[in-house]
Amino acid sequence: SAVISQKPSRDICQRGTSLTIQCQVDSQVTMMFWYRQQPGQSLTLIATANQGSEATYESGFVIDKFPISRPNLTFSTLTVSNMSPEDSSIYLCSVESGQGTYNEQFFGPGTRLTVL
Amino acid sequence: GEDVEQSLFLSVREGDSSVINCTYTDSSSTYLYWYKQEPGAGLQLLTYIFSNMDMKQDQRLTVLLNKKDKHLSLRIADTQTGDSAIYFCAERWGYSTLTFGKGTMLLVSP
Repeated sequence: SAVISQKPSRDICQRGTSLTIQCQVDSQVTMMFWYRQQPGQSLTLIATANQGSEATYESGFVIDKFPISRPNLTFSTLTVSNMSPEDSSIYLCSVESGQGTYNEQFFGPGTRLTVL
Repeated sequence: GEDVEQSLFLSVREGDSSVINCTYTDSSSTYLYWYKQEPGAGLQLLTYIFSNMDMKQDQRLTVLLNKKDKHLSLRIADTQTGDSAIYFCAERWGYSTLTFGKGTMLLVSP
């Protein structure tokens, strides 16, 4: 299993500012994911971050808005840039850890972001 | 594309059984999952089932998979107030990323 922590757990930000969310894992993992969960909605994958390579963004998400760093196998950051109220969401970090052909996906506690 | 559908809300009394249903469209799905999200918390993997299985039981949890109808259910026996949460169904094919449903809010009343 993998234990994931995120900082901050929640924040209230002003429109136009940026927030960087940190994700720390207690073991080395290859694949890390960033998800967004808008109010009352399901989880939407923002991007996949592998150490040593550029993050891969899903349709509708761009690097300028959501830059991601992955400096090592236990840490990643997601920045929400030039925020607007529509960015108010829970942002979740997730990692994949597996044995053999089965990979289990673990989630962090999330960062609850409110943009005023 | 893939789509996962769930009913949005279920209310039961403590001690009753809860059944949460999910349908998916991707017939190539290899793994199907149930996650639980308690208020203010992240997602916790409850259980999963491989697509070549029909049923999986784990203590109070029973997962049923009808691959022909692409229907997945989660039954919680003797539901407790601590089971109140949002339950997400998710599917994946091989090493692809997870596709989640919108979640079913389970409310357990005393």
